[in-house]
Amino acid sequence: RKEVEQDPGPFNVPEGATVAFNCTYSNSASQSFFWYRQDCRKEPKLLMSVYSSGNEDGRFTAQLNRASQYISLLIRDSKLSDSATYLCVVNIFGDRDDKIIFGKGTRLHILP
Amino acid sequence: EADIYQTPRYLVIGTGKKITLECSQTMGHDKMYWYQQDPGMELHLIHYSYGVNSTEKGDLSSESTVSRIRTEHFPLTLESARPSHTSQYLCASSDRTWVTEAFFGQGTRLTVV
Repeated sequence: RKEVEQDPGPFNVPEGATVAFNCTYSNSASQSFFWYRQDCRKEPKLLMSVYSSGNEDGRFTAQLNRASQYISLLIRDSKLSDSATYLCVVNIFGDRDDKIIFGKGTRLHILP
Repeated sequence: EADIYQTPRYLVIGTGKKITLECSQTMGHDKMYWYQQDPGMELHLIHYSYGVNSTEKGDLSSESTVSRIRTEHFPLTLESARPSHTSQYLCASSDRTWVTEAFFGQGTRLTVV
């Protein structure tokens, strides 16, 4: 089983719609979680961190469910500029095996 | 903007040549990573480092090697480039705490002809 799993998509969503992505992780030692955004032929950039209590940044809401080991990203009122690949990222912090693990990404296409 | 830099941004080189991709960060981060990514595909971790004199192989087997003699510098070397090495190489760094995120350089797009 992959350490971080995401639906690769693509999600084709009309402009203005709400879209949600889920991501599951397998390592219970995972301690911090992030969503990154990657545009075509660019480097990944941090979109937002994901906190246990859930957090919101404008149109974006991230949730963490530790019991079920999944995180989610909700995008409301989607814009054409939201078209990108969204990467789920898990930080496993330990003595020697701490590492940051990236999911394969979910492609989102916002349609005019 | 993140203070992590990769050079060159683009490189076209002939088969059999030795190349070194440079990556430097000025954030004092202990952890550094190299990822390989083909267009439209996922990131593959090929090397990482916990700090000076630490290097580890990643999840994807790679013919490249890395070194970490200084905290800020994490170069990747291919002794003999082949067309199969054509890809984008992304360097990243992070602080060694549990809340940290990774910061990426802009990448080096390598083409071996």
